[in-house]
Amino acid sequence: SQQGEEDPQALSIQEGENATMNCSYKTSINNLQWYRQNSGRGLVHLILIRSNEREKHSGRLRVTLDTSKKSSSLLITASRAADTASYFCATDQRTDKLIFGTGTRLQVFP
Amino acid sequence: ETGVTQTPRHLVMGMTNKKSLKCEQHLGHNAMYWYKQSAKKPLELMFVYNFKEQTENNSVPSRFSPECPNSSHLFLHLHTLQPEDSALYLCASSQESLASEQYFGPGTRLTVT
Repeated sequence: SQQGEEDPQALSIQEGENATMNCSYKTSINNLQWYRQNSGRGLVHLILIRSNEREKHSGRLRVTLDTSKKSSSLLITASRAADTASYFCATDQRTDKLIFGTGTRLQVFP
Repeated sequence: ETGVTQTPRHLVMGMTNKKSLKCEQHLGHNAMYWYKQSAKKPLELMFVYNFKEQTENNSVPSRFSPECPNSSHLFLHLHTLQPEDSALYLCASSQESLASEQYFGPGTRLTVT
């Protein structure tokens, strides 16, 4: 069954605006990861947040994790056209496998 | 791009053909994975190899046959595929536990006619 679900499925914004994507999951986790995928290419790891962390930053990325609500958000600040991609969350659900969501397709217009 | 290479990048094959996908990682990682990505579906884990040993076979049909001759190379042998097997096949590797950060190759776009 689908464990990581991103919301919204698609998001269109103008350059300079912030983009927020959400991920919900169903079971307990050790960590949650966010990945980015340009059209038809491989996934690129963005950030990993552990279950005992609440917030993490990396450049223009800010990830939050609320284990009580089983949800995470990815914020991209001051977006650029080059940020156009699909973004996926992945959870381990305290197993040795990563379970990926269906992703949010972000379109940033110049 | 990320130290994980895949060949070929595109493949068109008939249902009676036999072909192989190749993945190579230059990162010194111990675990390698095959994933299938179909349109509008989540990434599906197919196989996991840890220290060259297969540790996961996620109910994948036998027409897909993996091979891991060493910790740097991973193959996916294909035979008598179906049109619904058309997808992007992604290889990934990771250093430590299987749920740690994964590095992906660019993928092979497979079309079965």
